[in-house]
Parts: sequence; structure tokens; C-alpha cells
Amino acid sequence: AQTVTQSQPEMSVQEAETVTLSCTYDTSESNYYLFWYKQPPSRQMILVIRQEAYKQQNATENRFSVNFQKAAKSFSLKISDSQLGDTAMYFCALSPSGNTPLVFGKGTRLSVIA
Amino acid sequence: DGGITQSPKYLFRKEGQNVTLSCEQNLNHDAMYWYRQDPGQGLRLIYYSQIVNDFQKGDIAEGYSVSREKKESFPLTVTSAQKNPTAFYLCASSQGPTYNEQFFGPGTRLTVL
Repeated sequence: AQTVTQSQPEMSVQEAETVTLSCTYDTSESNYYLFWYKQPPSRQMILVIRQEAYKQQNATENRFSVNFQKAAKSFSLKISDSQLGDTAMYFCALSPSGNTPLVFGKGTRLSVIA
Repeated sequence: DGGITQSPKYLFRKEGQNVTLSCEQNLNHDAMYWYRQDPGQGLRLIYYSQIVNDFQKGDIAEGYSVSREKKESFPLTVTSAQKNPTAFYLCASSQGPTYNEQFFGPGTRLTVL
């Protein structure tokens, strides 16, 4: 069975500071994908960043970056220069390759404080 | 613009009634999915379809039914057998076997009165 665990139900950060959201997962697949999705108050799910497991280099998208530790099965998200618009629920998700459903963590609610 | 549409945005139903949630995509994606979201539960998979005229049960399929007669459409019916249907429902689609990003619709909030 594949599982995703987000151990921080809620977090807060001051505007312009850096915050890291944790995610651990379990899978027996050798190749898989990992994602971070953002769900703002509008509830529209937005892809923040993706990581392919066979790529050792950590993915980066502007202010968002990941720390992917394959052996430890850890996939944390770092948000630099936090902005008020980053306030949202953040979901970590896992999928093996192919058109297979994502397995989601329960989410971390992030509040950015002015 | 390409994307996924869900309708209606808000839906109310009386106990004992079936209701159908619409999901349409114009991304030419093969696979489509339905998730249910409850507070503190994350997203849970109801049904998914990897190809037209085929679909599989997810983790919480009881009380739900789907059809996939067209590539672009994947409607979800919430039947009277679903004991606690009040929730937020999200539809998603994905493109192909080597690139598994899922694109999501805006969701439907279903409330049972």
C-alpha cells in the first residue's frame, strides 16, 4: 500500500520569511512521481511543483523548492520570501508512473502573517 | 481555453434523492478521477477511469456510481445509498503514462438537507 504523511496540520510564517512543509511517503515502486499541490480559499487545486523519483536533482519553481531524500522517503517543500497569497492548504501527493490516481496526504494549512 | 469544468458549483439535495455531478474536460486527457474532500481528511478517491467505457472503484466507492461514455465527460452520481454525502467533490484528469500531473476542476459543494 502507498501512503503519504504530512505531520504538520497547521503552520504559520511571517511575510518575507522562509517556511518548510514536511512530507514522508511509503511505496514499493522504484519509479514514481511526487507532487505538492496548493489549495487556496477558492478551493481550486493548483500544482506547485513536481519531482520524478529517478531524478536526483531537487525541483525548483521560483520561490518554491523541494528537498527530496529518496532513501529516507522524504519530500519537503520550502517556500522562500513568503507572500500573503501563499496562504492555503498544501497537499503532498504520490503516484507511480502511469495514469494512476494520486495518493494524498491530509494537508498542511499554511497561514502567512503580515 | 483548455481546462476542466464542474457543474454546478453548489448543489443541494434532499435525503433519499440521487444527484449527478458533472465533469467535462477539453484537454484530450485519457484518464479522469473523482475525489471527495472532507475537513481534516485530505482527498479520497471515489472512482477513476483510464479509458473510455472503463472505470475502477477507488477507496470510497460505496454509494456512488459513474459512467465514461465519452472521453471528455465523467459524471458522478451520488445515490441515496451514500450515508453521508455532504462534502466537496473534485474532478481531475491526467494526460498519459509518462507524465502524471493531474489537473483539477473547481469543485462542487454538495449539501444534503
